[in-house]
Amino acid sequence: AQTVTQSQPEMSVQEAETVTLSCTYDTSESDYYLFWYKQPPSRQMILVIRQEAYKQQNATENRFSVNFQKAAKSFSLKISDSQLGDAAMYFCAYSGGSNAGGTSYGKLTFGQGTILTVHP
Amino acid sequence: DTGVSQNPRHKITKRGQNVTFRCDPISEHNRLYWYRQTLGQGPEFLTYFQNEAQLEKSRLLSDRFSAERPKGSFSTLEIQRTEQGDSAMYLCASRSGPGNTIYFGEGSWLTVV
Repeated sequence: AQTVTQSQPEMSVQEAETVTLSCTYDTSESDYYLFWYKQPPSRQMILVIRQEAYKQQNATENRFSVNFQKAAKSFSLKISDSQLGDAAMYFCAYSGGSNAGGTSYGKLTFGQGTILTVHP
Repeated sequence: DTGVSQNPRHKITKRGQNVTFRCDPISEHNRLYWYRQTLGQGPEFLTYFQNEAQLEKSRLLSDRFSAERPKGSFSTLEIQRTEQGDSAMYLCASRSGPGNTIYFGEGSWLTVV
């Protein structure tokens, strides 16, 4: 079974600064995807960024980037130039790919979440 | 693209009553998922559909829970004889085939008193 671990229950950052959220995962599958989702107080889960395991290049979306270390099974999220609107719960998630063939295909396994506070 | 829609957004019910939640996925998304999330935790997978076929159910989905997706469009999640432990947010999500990006609805909060 796949597991996702977020070891930082809470993190804080000053506005305009950079913060990194950590995530590790465990899987025996070779084809998979990793995601970071943001869940603000409104509770809707919003996709921040995703990474395909077969891609060596780290994904980037504007101020958000990841450090994907496949051998170490690590997938951290870096938020640059933090804004007040970035305050939320952040979840790291895993999904098996179409070639995985197992029950993880398509469904997400989430970590415990990290609460990010942004100070003005 | 109107997003994944869920209703009702909030439901308060007495223990022992039945409740039903509805999810309307993004059109053309053939896969639909239900998750349950309790306060301070990440969502946990409950079940998923490909078109109208229910392909997988989690062991979390007891006999009191049933989900349907008639005609492969909207889906319903019914909880019979609710218990206080059922209090949670029930999230629906959908995705199209390739790409594997899953989009979530706003969730339906259930409080059992």
